[in-house]
Amino acid sequence: DADVTQTPRNRITKTGKRIMLECSQTKGHDRMYWYRQDPGLGLRLIYYSFDVKDINKGEISDGYSVSRQAQAKFSLSLESAIPNQTALYFCATSDSQGGEKLFFGSGTQLSVL
Amino acid sequence: SQKIEQNSEALNIQEGKTATLTCNYTNYSPAYLQWYRQDPGRGPVFLLLIRENEKEKRKERLKVTFDTTLKQSLFHITASQPADSATYLCALVRSGGYNKLIFGAGTRLAVHP
Repeated sequence: DADVTQTPRNRITKTGKRIMLECSQTKGHDRMYWYRQDPGLGLRLIYYSFDVKDINKGEISDGYSVSRQAQAKFSLSLESAIPNQTALYFCATSDSQGGEKLFFGSGTQLSVL
Repeated sequence: SQKIEQNSEALNIQEGKTATLTCNYTNYSPAYLQWYRQDPGRGPVFLLLIRENEKEKRKERLKVTFDTTLKQSLFHITASQPADSATYLCALVRSGGYNKLIFGAGTRLAVHP
């Protein structure tokens, strides 16, 4: 089983819909992250959480929200999806003692029509 | 503005040769730099980390150098194999502040038999 699991793997939705992407991990890491990846651009950080009570905005948080339901679960919501949120979304984890070495899930390809 | 630049053109080499990928950065004082491998449809996988006070790091057929004067890291794969074909991402963590990785867009490597 994967250490970092993202669901769903693919999602097609319409403009204006609310959508949630989920991430769970079995690595026991305290830090979790949401990134998006667009062709030709680097991974960009949306939100990150260093523990259950800690949530921080990344560089592109507008239009997104997150919830850290437990140490192992970190979900990303698009409140009202728009076409330019079409991207590949990755969840990642790291250990505070591990030098920021990230472990990524397999990603969710989201298409907003 | 702060930038990490990787060659956007694919690197094509023959099996057995050494592949060299470049990562240049501006306006950063990185605490350390990481390299990841990403296969199509998958999340990035951590390969190597090199700190600002290290010149070179090796792991099996992989070698990373870090020149803070030139603001450049080179990633080498010796005796390359078709299985090394993938996109390689570099990422920096800035000195000071909170730990956040800034990613380059990646360079695709194709190793031909």
